[in-house]
Amino acid sequence: GQQVQQSPSSLVLQEGENAELQCNFSSTATQLQWFYQSPGGSLVSLLSNPSGTKHTGRLTSTTVTKERRSSLHISSSQTTDSGTYLCAPLNQGGSAKLIFGEGTKLTVSS
Amino acid sequence: EAAVTQSPRNKVAVTGGKVTLSCNQTNNHNNMYWYRQDTGHGLRLIHYSYGAGSTEKGDIPDGYKASRPSQENFSLILELATPSQTSVYFCASGDGVVFFGKGTRLTVV
Repeated sequence: GQQVQQSPSSLVLQEGENAELQCNFSSTATQLQWFYQSPGGSLVSLLSNPSGTKHTGRLTSTTVTKERRSSLHISSSQTTDSGTYLCAPLNQGGSAKLIFGEGTKLTVSS
Repeated sequence: EAAVTQSPRNKVAVTGGKVTLSCNQTNNHNNMYWYRQDTGHGLRLIHYSYGAGSTEKGDIPDGYKASRPSQENFSLILELATPSQTSVYFCASGDGVVFFGKGTRLTVV
């Protein structure tokens, strides 16, 4: 079945620095969704895209489904970006089973 | 934005008792999911559903049943709750982009 690996598992930044988070998956996917989870909170969808690059605010997601990888770039990090970032590949038209990576825990200090 | 509502938000249950966690979505999504989240394990899929009447086993279904009586509702049932099922449970729905509920904190004593 689908396996999802995220790296790094944790990342510590100074405010203003950029972050690059990686997501690799083992089986076919037609799109990749990135989520944010605040400490003790629920998951919020950040970006969802098939192959290609998608931007929203300071976030850029680049997904290459043929190579089974995606990255999330956070520019000019802020303390409020601290939390856990998770990715989940989805194969629309195939199984609805949705498996998550274990996440990258981001800590941004001022 | 799509809404997924979980109830209860907090629950304390006794070992051996029956627990039902409820999830409702009004987005007309076909796919719904139940996950548990524990420190050190991330989000693990318990059961999911393709639509009313369907339930599928996820990666950790043992000790859990699921029920999808309608498009809107998806329940997770613990027939005989055990302390190892103490966790935070999340429901989600979505047919492409997925949306999550706020979670249910279950403590089995």
